Amino acid sequence: EAGVTQFPSHSVIEKGQTVTLRCDPISGHDNLYWYRRVMGKEIKFLLHFVKESKQDESGMPNNRFLAERTGGTYSTLKVQPAELEDSGVYFCASSQGISSGNTIYFGEGSWLTVV
Amino acid sequence: GNSVTQMEGPVTLSEEAFLTINCTYTATGYPSLFWYVQYPGEGLQLLLKATKADDKGSNKGFEATYRKETTSFHLEKGSVQVSDSAVYFCALPIGSARQLTFGSGTQLTVLP
Repeated sequence: EAGVTQFPSHSVIEKGQTVTLRCDPISGHDNLYWYRRVMGKEIKFLLHFVKESKQDESGMPNNRFLAERTGGTYSTLKVQPAELEDSGVYFCASSQGISSGNTIYFGEGSWLTVV
Repeated sequence: GNSVTQMEGPVTLSEEAFLTINCTYTATGYPSLFWYVQYPGEGLQLLLKATKADDKGSNKGFEATYRKETTSFHLEKGSVQVSDSAVYFCALPIGSARQLTFGSGTQLTVLP
């Protein structure tokens, strides 16, 4: 079974440009999460989807970030325009349910560098 | 709200040394507690978990005991290997949908 896959694995863009990160969750997982770790700090929650609906986007830093999950399958996270402080690694995670018995699986992350 | 405080790193040990990485938590009730690990160039992996007080999670020689008296979930391993070099994160849920909050991460380097 394929795990959570993220694309691109690495991206270097200039300040002011746009980047779109993609996440394919494990098949059948309704719950999809985005997290990020910037500048070697702690990993921060960004938002949570259940199928195509945003359940919690309290962690989104500002309106330069837009997340979508078309048809409840894959998700994209767009940063527009990118700023230097957006550099870091963006993790996607998925789970089948939200009870304590469900494991949350993480992808390998998309490493973003804004120069 | 729920939060974790993790021992600051980095930690450098010789192979076969004993490892402890401290993690304390603040929580309403008794949520599940987790340790995640990120090996170089890889994503986050669940290392172990404990779902209730006094539970001990274990995996790959690592152990952590959920201690409500001291609100701690310290990670231990009796004899580390070079392959254990990674960043370790303590975590617990903060939301109804089990969004996780993570500690700051501890970089472990094991020297041969």
